[in-house]
Amino acid sequence: QKEVEQDPGPLSVPEGAIVSLNCTYSNSAFQYFMWYRQYSRKGPELLMYTYSSGNKEDGRFTAQVDKSSKYISLFIRDSQPSDSATYLCAMPRGLSGGYNKLIFGAGTRLAVHP
Amino acid sequence: DTAVSQTPKYLVTQMGNDKSIKCEQNLGHDTMYWYKQDSKKFLKIMFSYNNKELIINETVPNRFSPKSPDKAHLNLHINSLELGDSAVYFCASSQREVDTQYFGPGTRLTVL
Repeated sequence: QKEVEQDPGPLSVPEGAIVSLNCTYSNSAFQYFMWYRQYSRKGPELLMYTYSSGNKEDGRFTAQVDKSSKYISLFIRDSQPSDSATYLCAMPRGLSGGYNKLIFGAGTRLAVHP
Repeated sequence: DTAVSQTPKYLVTQMGNDKSIKCEQNLGHDTMYWYKQDSKKFLKIMFSYNNKELIINETVPNRFSPKSPDKAHLNLHINSLELGDSAVYFCASSQREVDTQYFGPGTRLTVL
């Protein structure tokens, strides 16, 4: 079982729809939860991050963490064609020496059609 | 104004060849990374350097050798290329290990 599981999709929605993207994880030590967005043929860029449980909102995007279920979500309201990208969840895992490494989900490919 | 840059953008080569990918960041970050993204978009860390010191070395074949001449540069040399090495390789940097990672545009490597 992978540490971070994410449905790769693809997910196709009409413009204006509410999109829900999800990841589950197995390591209860994860504290930070990140969402990266990757456009086609580009590098990933950080979209949002949250610490521990709860919600965080940024414009049309809301990140939600439920540590009891080891489940995180990213909601996109009023989705736009420009939101079409692959969305990757990521969590830093602590290593000895105080370092961390990011564990990524497989990424969900989202297509928003006009 | 490119934050993290990589060269080349595309690399097509034959099996058995040796090739290098270069990465530079102008963000003043202390930590740099190499990731491999396979055809299914799965992004996996290969190496991480902090102030030129290797801190993460995943189970990567020793045909892959990273080199950090200074903290703004992290290069990746690959010996005896194999078909399975075909992927997109991303360089990234962050101020510290827990901070936001900024990714380069990627190098698409195709081994024939």
